[in-house]
Amino acid sequence: GQNIDQPTEMTATEGAIVQINCTYQTSGFNGLFWYQQHAGEAPTFLSYNVLDGLEEKGRFSSFLSRSKGYSYLLLKELQMKDSASYLCAVRAGANNLFFGTGTRLTVIP
Amino acid sequence: KAGVTQTPRYLIKTRGQQVTLSCSPISGHRSVSWYQQTPGQGLQFLFEYFSETQRNKGNFPGRFSGRQFSNSRSEMNVSTLELGDSALYLCASSLELAVQETQYFGPGTRLLVL
Repeated sequence: GQNIDQPTEMTATEGAIVQINCTYQTSGFNGLFWYQQHAGEAPTFLSYNVLDGLEEKGRFSSFLSRSKGYSYLLLKELQMKDSASYLCAVRAGANNLFFGTGTRLTVIP
Repeated sequence: KAGVTQTPRYLIKTRGQQVTLSCSPISGHRSVSWYQQTPGQGLQFLFEYFSETQRNKGNFPGRFSGRQFSNSRSEMNVSTLELGDSALYLCASSLELAVQETQYFGPGTRLLVL
């Protein structure tokens, strides 16, 4: 089976940096995605990693280590609007996309 | 370019009934995937359609079915509804059926089964 783990909740201060971790155990691996989902809204794509290393996109960066089955999403200069759930998803198996249960991030002033 | 649209946005049904949900992908996108989202289980993959054919299927009972039309629009059907089917049903589209394709999600249909 597929197993994807993320912390359930995190709290961080406006202007700070926060790292959201994701570990996975899947049969096969064809890439890892991070999505942001605000309450009551659809998930929106943030990043995609298929090779080891860091992908930077503005205030957001995502890291992948395939040998460790590990990824993290790094959010810098946190803003109040970053309060949302962050979903880690792994494409594996028959190219299906498997999601973790998400990390609810609360940014406080 | 318009995003993924889903209809209806909200639905209330009773146990034993059936329901059909509709999804229109982004123009030009040929792959449509369906997901069920619940607070306890998170997002779970239902199935993926490409060129009117089901290409992948998640671990859901046969009560859940779908289809895709020649214009890439897709429908999902749930028969003999159960209370546990109450969830947000999300549709996502992508250009092709490729491993690194980014999926774009619709706003979802929130289904409540009483």
